Amino acid sequence: DSGVTQTPKHLITATGQRVTLRCSPRSGDLSVYWYQQSLDQGLQFLIQYYNGEERAKGNILERFSAQQFPDLHSELNLSSLELGDSALYFCASSAGQGRYGYTFGSGTRLTVV
Amino acid sequence: DQQVKQNSPSLSVQEGRISILNCDYTNSMFDYFLWYKKYPAEGPTFLISISSIKDKNEDGRFTVFLNKSAKHLSLHIVPSQPGDSAVYFCAATEANAGGTSYGKLTFGQGTILTVHP
Repeated sequence: DSGVTQTPKHLITATGQRVTLRCSPRSGDLSVYWYQQSLDQGLQFLIQYYNGEERAKGNILERFSAQQFPDLHSELNLSSLELGDSALYFCASSAGQGRYGYTFGSGTRLTVV
Repeated sequence: DQQVKQNSPSLSVQEGRISILNCDYTNSMFDYFLWYKKYPAEGPTFLISISSIKDKNEDGRFTVFLNKSAKHLSLHIVPSQPGDSAVYFCAATEANAGGTSYGKLTFGQGTILTVHP
């Protein structure tokens, strides 16, 4: 157990729908990161939050949004889902800015049908 | 635009021998490099890292070598064990233009290592 908790572990939904992925960081970690891993792809950085504020943004689609709440948990919202959004979504956390690496959760596998 | 590349999708090694996983990068602003290991149904776990001011970092059976001029790094595992069978990701970070760093890791596509008993 890495200490980073992601729920749900699996999610199957239909095209056009909206889902919310949740992440609880390790105790004491202020930064939360979201990554997407599609089939045969490396992990693609989506977004970083630090203590409730957006800190860095990657190639995140406009249909996707995220936030970090005062208790430091984070949610990734995916809307108007398409088949190509099927992927593993990982959350990670770090105490600081994460420059020297961070701890990943076990991921949420999203399947869009 | 793949700034970190792992050109070998897979590697098969006999137990006890050396495993060498390679990684190339194109962004000269990268100055810190990490290797992560990933087992099925788990998230990536940190393995070893190296700063660009060094050319080697060793931790037990794992050694990472960095060749900045070639923009190449490699992970050596000696001796390889069946429990090392996993996907290995190379990743890199850079300081942003403002001088303070943010936490984006740029990952390679991964190499599947299989260590046979």
